[in-house]
Amino acid sequence: QPVVTQEPSLTVSPGGTVTLTCASSTGAVTSGYYPNWFQQKPGQAPRALIYSTSNKYSWTPARVSGFILGGKAALTLSGVQPEDEADYYCLLYTAGIQVFGGGTKLTVL
Amino acid sequence: EVQLVQSGAEVKQSGESLKISCQGFGYRFTTYWIGWVRQMPGKGLEWMGIIFPVDSDTRYNPSFQAQVTISVDKSINTAYLQWRSLKATDSAMYYCVRFGGSGTYYKLGIDSWGQGTLVTVSS
Repeated sequence: QPVVTQEPSLTVSPGGTVTLTCASSTGAVTSGYYPNWFQQKPGQAPRALIYSTSNKYSWTPARVSGFILGGKAALTLSGVQPEDEADYYCLLYTAGIQVFGGGTKLTVL
Repeated sequence: EVQLVQSGAEVKQSGESLKISCQGFGYRFTTYWIGWVRQMPGKGLEWMGIIFPVDSDTRYNPSFQAQVTISVDKSINTAYLQWRSLKATDSAMYYCVRFGGSGTYYKLGIDSWGQGTLVTVSS
């Protein structure tokens, strides 16, 4: 089964900017992997942020954006708020199925 | 408002069978893909499989295909995840999810999540 890799943890200061990435063992990630991004806070179900690389939902904050960067899917959070502290998961379509990344624990400190 | 309401927590013995459910509200259930996602304690998310209610077209992650069955009852807007013989390693939170439409599922995005069903299996 394909493996999708994310940074295990990242730390950002309030008001700062952070970029999370998502790589695939099957090769460079392109828009054809249709990357999704989700946020999960402790004790809660995940919440969708981005689909198909860069498309936002009505509830997605404007300071959140998705794109492809250097063969990886990427998620940037700008003007980070304390409430952005959470686990973030990417989801890629690869080798005929969708596969989640292992998640990035984002600490706002 | 779109809602996915899952059945309650389950405590089972190893070897027992189990069927958990996910009922959709606030949208046309039959024309949106529904999927299941596993989250083991303290771990990440795992994509298990999906079903399209109108024709029960089902796709499985090969890692789960032999372990579970995904089904749907259109008459009551409900999807199911079923085990014939549970193992202790099936202990996890299980989420149902809705994809954002009726086209090619992986292009649509997952836009809604159920509240989760906690399954605990003792050996």
